[in-house]
Amino acid sequence: DAKTTQPNSMESNEEEPVHLPCNHSTISGTDYIHWYRQLPSQGPEYVIHGLTSNVNNRMASLAIAEDRKSSTLILHRATLRDAAVYYCILRVSNAGGTSYGKLTFGQGTILTVHP
Amino acid sequence: DVKVTQSSRYLVKRTGEKVFLECVQDMDHENMFWYRQDPGLGLRLIYFSYDVKMKEKGDIPEGYSVSREKKERFSLILESASTNQTSMYLCASRAGGGRGEKLFFGSGTQLSVL
Repeated sequence: DAKTTQPNSMESNEEEPVHLPCNHSTISGTDYIHWYRQLPSQGPEYVIHGLTSNVNNRMASLAIAEDRKSSTLILHRATLRDAAVYYCILRVSNAGGTSYGKLTFGQGTILTVHP
Repeated sequence: DVKVTQSSRYLVKRTGEKVFLECVQDMDHENMFWYRQDPGLGLRLIYFSYDVKMKEKGDIPEGYSVSREKKERFSLILESASTNQTSMYLCASRAGGGRGEKLFFGSGTQLSVL
């Protein structure tokens, strides 16, 4: 399975943008890039996902490199509630092009947001 | 919003006991998953199910079994609990058939095996 590499930790100030990087140099053409985050004492929650094009939703933006070997999760204005562990994950599709949604989580990036 | 409910937030069991962890989802999702989370190791997939009575091994199935008799319920079973199964257990569900990409997680069960 393709793996992802993320920095162990990052820090940001409140109301500043945050760019969380992820490397996935062995990604295959059908692998989707997913981001989840885990707040303290909670299960992970979905943030965003994409395949090739950049994606935006109410939580964040996902910028995907043209060669798809890296991506960046962008929080446009960090708040204290954004302090969490952020996971970059590749969702692998099986040979038939479908998937049971198996996601392999790595260590993630611990984001600290300072007031 | 989808709700994934895990029956216990904290559980303490003794070595050798049979342990059942229950998970219920209320959105008619086809796919359900059990993960365990340990410090320094992240989340690891134990088992998943893509339909009633169907199951697939994940990355660390040893020492565990699962049961999916009804679509909304996915149970994780520790046949004979051991101390190395002390962990946070997380259940998740996802719509199947191309209807959804998101995994929805429960709040977790912190299991301590003494």
